[in-house]
Amino acid sequence: EVQLVESGGDLVQPGGSLRLSCSASVFTLSNYEMHWVRQAPGKGLEWLSYISSNGRSIYNADSVKGRFTISRDNAKNSLYLQMNSLRAEDTAVYYCARERGSYLYDAFDIWGQGTMVTVSS
Amino acid sequence: QSVLTQPPSVSGAPGQRVTISCTGSSSNIGAGYDVHWYQQLPGIAPKLLIYGNNNRPSGVPDRFSGSKSGTSPSLAITGLQAEDEADYYCQSYDNSLSGYVFGTGTKVTVL
Repeated sequence: EVQLVESGGDLVQPGGSLRLSCSASVFTLSNYEMHWVRQAPGKGLEWLSYISSNGRSIYNADSVKGRFTISRDNAKNSLYLQMNSLRAEDTAVYYCARERGSYLYDAFDIWGQGTMVTVSS
Repeated sequence: QSVLTQPPSVSGAPGQRVTISCTGSSSNIGAGYDVHWYQQLPGIAPKLLIYGNNNRPSGVPDRFSGSKSGTSPSLAITGLQAEDEADYYCQSYDNSLSGYVFGTGTKVTVL
């Protein structure tokens, strides 16, 4: 089954850092553009970061610019999100998602199960 | 902060038709970017429901349909079923933000 599996979520203190991973199964990650999306408890979906299939183009939401860094290792079929200077408002479930890639700004057709990040002292 | 606005909730009896609107602006939907729709069941990751305004992925029942008229796309669910109780989100791209944007989300309740 085509799937994405996130890992790395944890309880971290304000100001701390965390690295999330997203592993792809059955499909070749290098063929797809990828994203990170988060959902705070009881809230809606928030797009965070985009990375092109070759990793050369990256875009971030203003809310995480300068603090979060998306990256990928196509050889390991994996996507990452390095999160620094974490704040209480970063508490959320973090999803990685695959963009269909049939055209520009396509839909996210495969989502991971999510990993919980809690920022609290 | 969501730039696409959806009604917080809609409800209907089993078998009825409900629609969910997604209001954007000239920098996203009005600029011609496609709208996609997702269904999120409680405690589960979102699932792609409609892509490219009105296309259903394989496996999505034809009870779900999308339309786009100007800057007001919508999702329609006909023949509402209990299993359709979920949160629904629209999504597009915004060129002033240079990023992807989601709607505020709509909770569908089956009465």
